[in-house]
Amino acid sequence: GDSVTQTEGPVTVSESESLIINCTYSATSIAYPNLFWYVRYPGEGLQLLLKVITAGQKGSSRGFEATYNKETTSFHLQKASVQESDSAVYYCALVANYGSSGNKLIFGIGTLLSVKP
Amino acid sequence: AQTIHQWPVAEIKAVGSPLSLGCTIKGKSSPNLYWYWQATGGTLQQLFYSITVGQVESVVQLNLSASRPKDDQFILSTEKLLLSHSGFYLCAWSLSGDQAPLFGEGTRLSVL
Repeated sequence: GDSVTQTEGPVTVSESESLIINCTYSATSIAYPNLFWYVRYPGEGLQLLLKVITAGQKGSSRGFEATYNKETTSFHLQKASVQESDSAVYYCALVANYGSSGNKLIFGIGTLLSVKP
Repeated sequence: AQTIHQWPVAEIKAVGSPLSLGCTIKGKSSPNLYWYWQATGGTLQQLFYSITVGQVESVVQLNLSASRPKDDQFILSTEKLLLSHSGFYLCAWSLSGDQAPLFGEGTRLSVL
């Protein structure tokens, strides 16, 4: 079936260090699913961080980047220099198609990121 | 601008009691609407989706039901809560099925 696997947290890094949160996907219902990263900051709702709908393309937002790699079925989230304000839970997700049952957004487990000052 | 509002923000309910959670979307007509649920320590799961008034599709069976009485309203309910219903419920909307849904603030439900 369709699934998303991402780095298990918590992940702790120091401010100004680089970050990578791994995400790999398995999509059997659709060849090239749309891929997303969502973020939930403390006390806030779930927000879309970035999206990529074309294989081979890169999405970026707030200093974060993720490249849609169809060969390795990966969509890793990276940032060159994190800030304390990046502390949040990050979710990798894909949209899968279920024919007459419609589309379904499938999430990874979420990765809690803590950035130390 | 589109806004999505969920109510209540949090609920504490007894096992066996009824539940009704609401969601309203303003500023967009005929959106796709979704209900998601996350158990403590679990992943977000899509429960229901609706592409039009009066039409709701179930994705995961959790002894819950959903209705869309108006274009901008989505209701999640059950007549009898279970302990396993505890968790975080999120409403979301999108313009089409392959777009990234945008989420409300969520409702924290504790069933005791």
